[in-house]
Amino acid sequence: AQTVTQSQPEMSVQEAETVTLSCTYDTSENNYYLFWYKQPPSRQMILVIRQEAYKQQNATENRFSVNFQKAAKSFSLKISDSQLGDTAMYFCAFGTGTASKLTFGTGTRLQVTL
Amino acid sequence: DTGVSQDPRHKITKRGQNVTFRCDPISEHNRLYWYRQTLGQGPEFLTYFQNEAQLEKSRLLSDRFSAERPKGSFSTLEIQRTEQGDSAMYLCASSSMVSRTPEYNEQFFGPGTRLTVL
Repeated sequence: AQTVTQSQPEMSVQEAETVTLSCTYDTSENNYYLFWYKQPPSRQMILVIRQEAYKQQNATENRFSVNFQKAAKSFSLKISDSQLGDTAMYFCAFGTGTASKLTFGTGTRLQVTL
Repeated sequence: DTGVSQDPRHKITKRGQNVTFRCDPISEHNRLYWYRQTLGQGPEFLTYFQNEAQLEKSRLLSDRFSAERPKGSFSTLEIQRTEQGDSAMYLCASSSMVSRTPEYNEQFFGPGTRLTVL
């Protein structure tokens, strides 16, 4: 079974600053995907970024980037130039090669302040 | 296309009552997933369908829970004899599976149905 651990229940960052959210996982699978999902208050979950395990290059989507360390089973999310709209719960998630069910961490609540 | 929709958005019921939730996926998405999210936790997988076939069920899905997707379009999740521990947000997601290769298929989530069992 896969497990996903997010050790930071809450984080705070000032607008325009950079913040890094941590995630570790455990699996015996070799072909898998990792995701960061954002869940704004009272709104639905949306995908922020994904990483294929077979790719060595770290994924980047505009202000969002990941640091994927496969050997360490670590998958952190860096948010640059933080904006007020980034305030949300962030969930790290794991999916198998067939991209069926997702296993989520417990989430990190990010607050972006002025 | 307006995305994944769920109905109702909120449901308050008394312990022992039956409840049914509906999920309408993005049209032409052949995979549909149900997750449960309790306060302070991440979503937990319950079950998923490919077209009308239910391919996997979690151990979390007790005998009181049943899910259907009769025509491969919308899905319903029914909870019989609700218990206070069933109080949670029930999330639905859908994705398309266009080939048999292990390609990534993004799951799109609905807004959820928040269930409160008194």
